[in-house]
Amino acid sequence: GENVEQHPSTLSVQEGDSAVIKCTYSDSASNYFPWYKQELGKRPQLIIDIRSNVGEKKDQRIAVTLNKTAKHFSLHITETQPEDSAVYFCAPSTGTASKLTFGTGTRLQVTL
Amino acid sequence: EPEVTQTPSHQVTQMGQEVILRCVPISNHLYFYWYRQILGQKVEFLVSFYNNEISEKSEIFDDQFSVERPDGSNFTLKIRSTKLEDSAMYFCASRGDNSPRSPFGPGTRLTVT
Repeated sequence: GENVEQHPSTLSVQEGDSAVIKCTYSDSASNYFPWYKQELGKRPQLIIDIRSNVGEKKDQRIAVTLNKTAKHFSLHITETQPEDSAVYFCAPSTGTASKLTFGTGTRLQVTL
Repeated sequence: EPEVTQTPSHQVTQMGQEVILRCVPISNHLYFYWYRQILGQKVEFLVSFYNNEISEKSEIFDDQFSVERPDGSNFTLKIRSTKLEDSAMYFCASRGDNSPRSPFGPGTRLTVT
């Protein structure tokens, strides 16, 4: 089955700095690459996603970049704010009907 | 914007008891999923359901688990004889035909004592 790893497992940045989280996957059939944000006690919330025919996508302060050849994709958050503090999960999938396979998560802490 | 809903929000049960967790997917969605998350761990896939049958299941989804779509709106997960290690947050998700996005419900926290 798909093996999904995230790095780093924890990340602490100062407010205003950038944060980058990398997700490595094993299944070359993966073609959908979402990032979820999960606050304590809450459901995972989709924050950005990309499909395999696109290399990069940006939405205000967040962006996702994809390297299909190397089988990794990354989440970029610029101008971090305290409310960005949460656990972030990547969850690649192989198709519309297919399950999401979640990574191990990255705990981001944004300090003042 | 339509959302996936789940009931109850918290269920406490004794080991060996049966529990049924309920989900109402988004109305025009066709694919339904159950995931679970043990406290402090990653989200794990349990089962996917399409066209009134299971389309995929994980090793976690053993004979103690079953899913059902008893009517046009509900999607349920049944655990026949709960174990302590079933204690977790259970999330339902659904997906439409034209999008890979699968919104999650708010979850049911299951506590087995």
